[in-house]
Amino acid sequence: EAGVAQSPRYKIIEKRQSVAFWCNPISGHATLYWYQQILGQGPKLLIQFQNNGVVDDSQLPKDRFSAERLKGVDSTLKIQPAKLEDSAVYLCASSPNLGTSAETQYFGPGTRLLVL
Amino acid sequence: LAKTTQPISMDSYEGQEVNITCSHNNIATNDYITWYQQFPSQGPRFIIQGYKTKVTNEVASLFIPADRKSSTLSLPRVSLSDTAVYYCLVGLDYDIPTFGRGTSLIVHP
Repeated sequence: EAGVAQSPRYKIIEKRQSVAFWCNPISGHATLYWYQQILGQGPKLLIQFQNNGVVDDSQLPKDRFSAERLKGVDSTLKIQPAKLEDSAVYLCASSPNLGTSAETQYFGPGTRLLVL
Repeated sequence: LAKTTQPISMDSYEGQEVNITCSHNNIATNDYITWYQQFPSQGPRFIIQGYKTKVTNEVASLFIPADRKSSTLSLPRVSLSDTAVYYCLVGLDYDIPTFGRGTSLIVHP
């Protein structure tokens, strides 16, 4: 079974530029998550999709971050314009949506973003 | 949301058993407890999950007392490759998944 795919793996941009990350979840997984992980901290949820609908985006900085899930499968996360404090690893995860708290998330390798 | 508390760091030596305890005093009746492992430059990876008593798989054991207000991840005979950050999560279906800072385990030769 193929895992969660993310691209690019690394990205360096200057502040005020825009950047986009792509995620392809495990086939058949209804739920998709985007996390931001700053060095030395645990992953912080940015947005959660179920199929192509948003379940939670309360921690997404909506003035600069946006995300969509195309046809309930692939997803993109965009930052525009980027700030220095956006330097972090952006993790995508998916889960099968079992409908219980026994849900297990499967993570991709992440995209490491450096904003200069 | 059932918040969790874990030690920030732990040290061990190869071949020893390591026990990492997570406190979750506000766990809800239907909440499961899930542990993840994260190596540098990788996403977290599922290790083990349980609801009560004891669960064992090929990687670890998870001990959950009757009141379920804490859980202990047990790693038998650790090796250098077990050096990683370990996170415990409680309750995922209805809450925002919250990882916390996890426990950084360093295994020494």
